[in-house]
Amino acid sequence: EPEVTQTPSHQVTQMGQEVILRCVPISNHLYFYWYRQILGQKVEFLVSFYNNEISEKSEIFDDQFSVERPDGSNFTLKIRSTKLEDSAMYFCARKAPQGFPTLHFGNGTRLTVT
Amino acid sequence: GQQVMQIPQYQHVQEGEDFTTYCNSSTTLSNIQWYKQRPGGHPVFLIQLVKSGEVKKQKRLTFQFGEAKKNSSLHITATQTTDVGTYFCAGVLDAGGTSYGKLTFGQGTILTVHP
Repeated sequence: EPEVTQTPSHQVTQMGQEVILRCVPISNHLYFYWYRQILGQKVEFLVSFYNNEISEKSEIFDDQFSVERPDGSNFTLKIRSTKLEDSAMYFCARKAPQGFPTLHFGNGTRLTVT
Repeated sequence: GQQVMQIPQYQHVQEGEDFTTYCNSSTTLSNIQWYKQRPGGHPVFLIQLVKSGEVKKQKRLTFQFGEAKKNSSLHITATQTTDVGTYFCAGVLDAGGTSYGKLTFGQGTILTVHP
């Protein structure tokens, strides 16, 4: 059972619409990450978030993307104006509590942009 | 940028046969991690290798990290149908600083096991 809960499990949206993907950790953590996986492809890093700030982001994470932790609990990924190529599984992950940054992934949100 | 290549892309084996997947990085890694993803599931952490030349075992799984810390392998002995899934290696370039937690995944090896 993943220690990170993601909602929704599946989101269908029209191109150009905004979507918000949510991640709720079971316990309090400081390090969070968003990764995405286009169907049949590798898992790609999007952004890391530490202590309520972005610590690093990839080239994929352009101005259309933003992350927040608005209430100190939920961790959200917003895509402002979705494109067809944003269709993918989006995984939230938290860092394991000790040592090197091994990750615990949530179940993911499947985003389908039509 | 950093690239992590993984081969083979697919591997079909009969139950009981061995399986190996190989991972190669374009740059020296701080550590390498292996994840398994079942069909329709999320990546699940298997193991982390940190030291040059390190070898770790988990039951039928043997993981190796190369001397130069640029390549790694996962070997499964006597595969079972429960081993089915995609195996990903993921490299960490810099364990500290701003790259903390940024994993560069290989393309994965899809393992199917025929009973």
